Parts: sequence; C-alpha cells; structure tokens
Amino acid sequence: EIVLTQSPATLSLSPGERATLSCRASQSVSSYLAWYQQKPGQAPRLLIYDASNRATGIPARFSGSGSGTDFTLTISSLEPEDFAVYYCQQRSNWPLSITFGQGTRLEIK
Amino acid sequence: EVQLVQSGAEVKKPGESLKISCKGSGYSFTSYWIGWVRQMPGKGLEWMGIIYPGDSDTRYSPSFQGQVTISADKSISTAYLQWSSLKASDTAMYYCAREGTDRYFDYWGQGTLVTVSS
Repeated sequence: EIVLTQSPATLSLSPGERATLSCRASQSVSSYLAWYQQKPGQAPRLLIYDASNRATGIPARFSGSGSGTDFTLTISSLEPEDFAVYYCQQRSNWPLSITFGQGTRLEIK
Repeated sequence: EVQLVQSGAEVKKPGESLKISCKGSGYSFTSYWIGWVRQMPGKGLEWMGIIYPGDSDTRYSPSFQGQVTISADKSISTAYLQWSSLKASDTAMYYCAREGTDRYFDYWGQGTLVTVSS
C-alpha cells in the first residue's frame, strides 16, 4: 500500500502570505495525485487533480506541482476562507487502492 | 446538477447492525465509481472501499475488508455501506463520494454521522 506523508502537520500563516504544503509518497504515483480542502463541518472539496490541474471553480491562487514521489500545493496569497485542512490523495489501479495523507492544518497566525 | 444525498445521523448500540445510504442524482449513476470514506472524530480521511454500480464490482481497503459491506441498487441510484455488528470504534462521520472521469472524488455527500454507544 502506498503511504502518503504530508508536512507540516500544522502551518500558521497570515492572510496575504504564501502557503506551501508538501505531500510525499512512499513509491512513485507518477502524476496521479489530488489535493482536497476540508473546512469544519463540511465534506472535502477537490482542489487539484493529476498533480497540477485545478478542479472546476477553484481559484487561480491554488496551484499544484510535482511528480513521482514529491508534490506541493501552493496557495499564492492566502484569503481568510483558505484556512482549513488540506489532504493529498492517490489512486493506484493494480490492485485498486486509494490512500489519503494525514492532512495539513492551515491556521491563522 | 450532480448530487449525492446521504441518509441521516444514526445512534446505535454495540452489536447492532446498520445500513446507511447514498443516493446519486444529476448524472449516470451506473457509469461512475462511488467510494466510501471514514473520518473519525478529529481525525483524517480514510478510504474504506469503492463500488461500480454498473456491475457491482467492489473493492475494499485492506483495513476494512471483512468489517463492512458495500453494495448498490442501480434501479434507485443508491449505494450502501453496512455493518453486521457495530463497535464503539465505528463512531465516525462517513462520506460517500463519486469518482469522476479523472479518477478522483469530484462530488461528495454531506456525510452521515454514526454514533455507537452503550
């Protein structure tokens, strides 16, 4: 099973600052990686798929990069609504297996 | 508009059985995988399993194999997650989610809170 490790566990920043979140896979997942945002009391929301593609309706301040085992989610200039928990996720086909990272909590400094 | 609507919150006792549901609408229910994700209180997301309603092909996470059963009734566009004997450790929020054409969960249900307590 592929393990995804996210860092840092918690990131404290101020609105307007740049956020950089990391996700490392225990083996290569090519570019098959997604990022989700979850706010308290809400279901997760897909932000980025295939490592670097923004999902429908996601603002341009969110960007993803990476391939193989190392991935990054960048929020260029934090808005108040961006403070939430972020998860990375991979899906492998043979055998079919889906795993999530443990999450990064982005909090207001 | 794609929607996944889950059944309401449940309070059960240890040892009881339970089946929760996830009804899809606004898309071809039989053409997309539906996954189930557990979120224990204050914790992260855990993938439990996934089903393709078109032919009921079902895969489970090794962590949940044998612990739950995932099924679907395509005639009513509904997927299910069931337990035969609940434990206190099954207390969690459970989400269903559609796996889109890009192989990621693009639509999510609102979640079903399951509380197991004596």
